[in-house]
Amino acid sequence: KAGVTQTPRYLIKTRGQQVTLSCSPISGHRSVSWYQQTPGQGLQFLFEYFSETQRNKGNFPGRFSGRQFSNSRSEMNVSTLELGDSALYLCASSLATAGLRNTEAFFGQGTRLTVV
Amino acid sequence: AQTVTQSQPEMSVQEAETVTLSCTYDTSESNYYLFWYKQPPSRQMILVIRQEAYKQQNATENRFSVNFQKAAKSFSLKISDSQLGDTAMYFCAFRGYGGSQGNLIFGKGTKLSVKP
Repeated sequence: KAGVTQTPRYLIKTRGQQVTLSCSPISGHRSVSWYQQTPGQGLQFLFEYFSETQRNKGNFPGRFSGRQFSNSRSEMNVSTLELGDSALYLCASSLATAGLRNTEAFFGQGTRLTVV
Repeated sequence: AQTVTQSQPEMSVQEAETVTLSCTYDTSESNYYLFWYKQPPSRQMILVIRQEAYKQQNATENRFSVNFQKAAKSFSLKISDSQLGDTAMYFCAFRGYGGSQGNLIFGKGTKLSVKP
């Protein structure tokens, strides 16, 4: 069974640009969550999608957005990039259903975004 | 709001010895999940062990075991017979049991080095 796949693995963008990151969950997993990891702030929750609907959101500005497609693949978009957006972005998928949220989260290897 | 605190930024242990990583958390919930994740240099977050708060018995997975003290809100990880492959960042994480709190809340991590 393939794991969680994140693309691209590395990305360099210029301040002010926008970026889209992709996450393909484990087959059959309908919940996808995104996290930002930085040396200073650690791991912070961005948002969670389930069945194409955002059902939980962290404390990030509106420049950070996401969506989920009918095949459960998810994308995360950051507009008007700032230097502080440089981070490792991790995606996690789980088998959580509408009534059972707390199942194990499986993580991808992340996308390393560098903003210059 | 829930918080997770790991008070040991770095630790070092000799191969084959035992090491304990500390984690404390704060929550007003009575039911929840606690996790230890390992992040090696490859960046892949790997679940090491999980504990359900309603279970009094401490979880064990091979060389990894936890000491869960619910009243003290403490959740330490013991690694026995440390191996070189255990070298990694270790993150303690909290997840609520239901409602909208499906995301993981992470501590800042402990960098563990296993020396030959």
